[in-house]
Amino acid sequence: AQTVTQSQPEMSVQEAETVTLSCTYDTSENNYYLFWYKQPPSRQMILVIRQEAYKQQNATENRFSVNFQKAAKSFSLKISDSQLGDTAMYFCAFMKPTFGNEKLTFGTGTRLTIIP
Amino acid sequence: GAVVSQHPSRVICKSGTSVKIECRSLDFQATTMFWYRQFPKQSLMLMATSNEGSKATYEQGVEKDKFLINHASLTLSTLTVTSAHPEDSSFYICSARDAARLGAYGYTFGSGTRLTVV
Repeated sequence: AQTVTQSQPEMSVQEAETVTLSCTYDTSENNYYLFWYKQPPSRQMILVIRQEAYKQQNATENRFSVNFQKAAKSFSLKISDSQLGDTAMYFCAFMKPTFGNEKLTFGTGTRLTIIP
Repeated sequence: GAVVSQHPSRVICKSGTSVKIECRSLDFQATTMFWYRQFPKQSLMLMATSNEGSKATYEQGVEKDKFLINHASLTLSTLTVTSAHPEDSSFYICSARDAARLGAYGYTFGSGTRLTVV
């Protein structure tokens, strides 16, 4: 079974600074997908960014980028120019493509607070 | 974009009663839906996976007779908590998989249901 580990339960950073959230995973699969989800106080899960394991290029979405190290099984999220609206729980997730059962396995989350 | 409507957002029920939570995909067909449970300040724990027209697959440790899942159509899945007890109080979230979007795409989450059993 796959496991996802987020070793930083809480982090805080000043507004406009850059912050990196770490995530490691364990799998014997070669083809899989990785995600970062954001859960603000509203509890709505919001997709931040996704990465296909077969792609060597790191995914980027505006201020959000990842550092995907497949051999090390590491998938960190970098938030640049952090904003107050980035305050949320962040979950790293793993998905192995399996027809009819493509479930997400979530890490324990990192609570990020952006300080004004 | 894809939207999943989950109702109710909050529900309070008495011990011993049953409560039904609905998860509906509004603008896409969801062949697969997932039900999660989230305790305060914790991660999402998958309870079960339901595929339209077939029985749900439950994760280890989840009582299938207590958490009844029905996925009767491509747009609707329901979770019924039967004979609810205070320990069932939690936040329940559904996620729908868009059949037309494969691979890394196509997961949409509902807004969650906070269940309180008194």
